[in-house]
Amino acid sequence: ETGVTQTPRHLVMGMTNKKSLKCEQHLGHNAMYWYKQSAKKPLELMFVYSLEERVENNSVPSRFSPECPNSSHLFLHLHTLQPEDSALYLCASSQDRLQAGGEKLFFGSGTQLSVL
Amino acid sequence: GESVGLHLPTLSVQEGDNSIINCAYSNSASDYFIWYKQESGKGPQFIIDIRSNMDKRQGQRVTVLLNKTVKHLSLQIAATQPGDSAVYFCAENYGGSQGNLIFGKGTKLSVKP
Repeated sequence: ETGVTQTPRHLVMGMTNKKSLKCEQHLGHNAMYWYKQSAKKPLELMFVYSLEERVENNSVPSRFSPECPNSSHLFLHLHTLQPEDSALYLCASSQDRLQAGGEKLFFGSGTQLSVL
Repeated sequence: GESVGLHLPTLSVQEGDNSIINCAYSNSASDYFIWYKQESGKGPQFIIDIRSNMDKRQGQRVTVLLNKTVKHLSLQIAATQPGDSAVYFCAENYGGSQGNLIFGKGTKLSVKP
């Protein structure tokens, strides 16, 4: 148990569906992240939130929409996804932003997403 | 460009042997490095880290070595156990305005009983 909980663990959706991924961290951290993990590719940073404010959007398509209502919760809203969006979506948190190094990321177990 | 890569995508070792997983990085400005372990069905889990002002750091059964001259990072696991079977990622933090961890593709370690 890492203190970062993601739901659902698995999600299958059609290209016209709208769904949301949820992440909750119980570590009292100030920064939260969404990462995408595809087969045979390195982890890709999607979004960074620090103290509920989005500080980085790594050129992610608008069909992915993050929401951070408070420092403990993070959502990723999905709509009109493409089959190539199928991947493991990982949420992570850290005490503070990864600015100066030394901050460790704590990951959830991820949501395995399949887009049909 | 800036990248973190792993020399071997798969590594198979006998239980009880030592394992060495290698990683190359290209950004000489990176000042912090981390090794993560990802077991099947789980997210990456922190193993050990090292700052650029060090060349060696030891943990419980794990040692990380940093060679800044050749931009090389390695993870050594002593007396490898079946529970060590996983994918291992190295990551570098090059700082920048926001800071970011750049992850390698991962090496799959399989431990034979």
